[in-house]
Amino acid sequence: SQQGEEDPQALSIQEGENATMNCSYKTSINNLQWYRQNSGRGLVHLILIRSNEREKHSGRLRVTLDTSKKSSSLLITASRAADTASYFCATVFNSGNTPLVFGKGTRLSVIA
Amino acid sequence: DGGITQSPKYLFRKEGQNVTLSCEQNLNHDAMYWYRQDPGQGLRLIYYSQIVNDFQKGDIAEGYSVSREKKESFPLTVTSAQKNPTAFYLCASIGSRGRGTYNEQFFGPGTRLTVL
Repeated sequence: SQQGEEDPQALSIQEGENATMNCSYKTSINNLQWYRQNSGRGLVHLILIRSNEREKHSGRLRVTLDTSKKSSSLLITASRAADTASYFCATVFNSGNTPLVFGKGTRLSVIA
Repeated sequence: DGGITQSPKYLFRKEGQNVTLSCEQNLNHDAMYWYRQDPGQGLRLIYYSQIVNDFQKGDIAEGYSVSREKKESFPLTVTSAQKNPTAFYLCASIGSRGRGTYNEQFFGPGTRLTVL
């Protein structure tokens, strides 16, 4: 069953603007991850945030986690046309090789 | 050049036929996974294997079968019992770095299966 739910389903912005995507989940997690998928390709890992962390940065990416609200957000600053892709959050219940549970994704379009 | 490879990239099948999708990794990862993705949808877990000669069903295992005879390989067979097999199939793996220190999945490029 899909636990993560991304919001919005689709987002269209101009190049240079910031893009914010949200993810909500239902049960306690060990960590939450964000992935990117270009059309017709595999997923690429972007960033992982653990349940005891509140914010994490990686280049133009900023991820926050609010475990009390069971939600996370992904911010892409100064977006580029190359950021056009689908973005998925995935939750992990416990450590070990247990499967990730993916949401349905947010389709981001960055217009040059 | 390490990574995960999937073949073929495109696969066409007639109704009633079984087909096998290949997934190979040279990352020395213990755990491997198969997902199905339908248009505009997220990933749904079909099967996963945490070690050689062992595998578990995911959320949508009906109509699929797998084997894990070698660490590097985790082939997926889509059987004729799968009623709606047309989809994009993704294979992934995770390395073992010790408990509580990991989880990043590495994905293959995917196989698009179309039933004619």
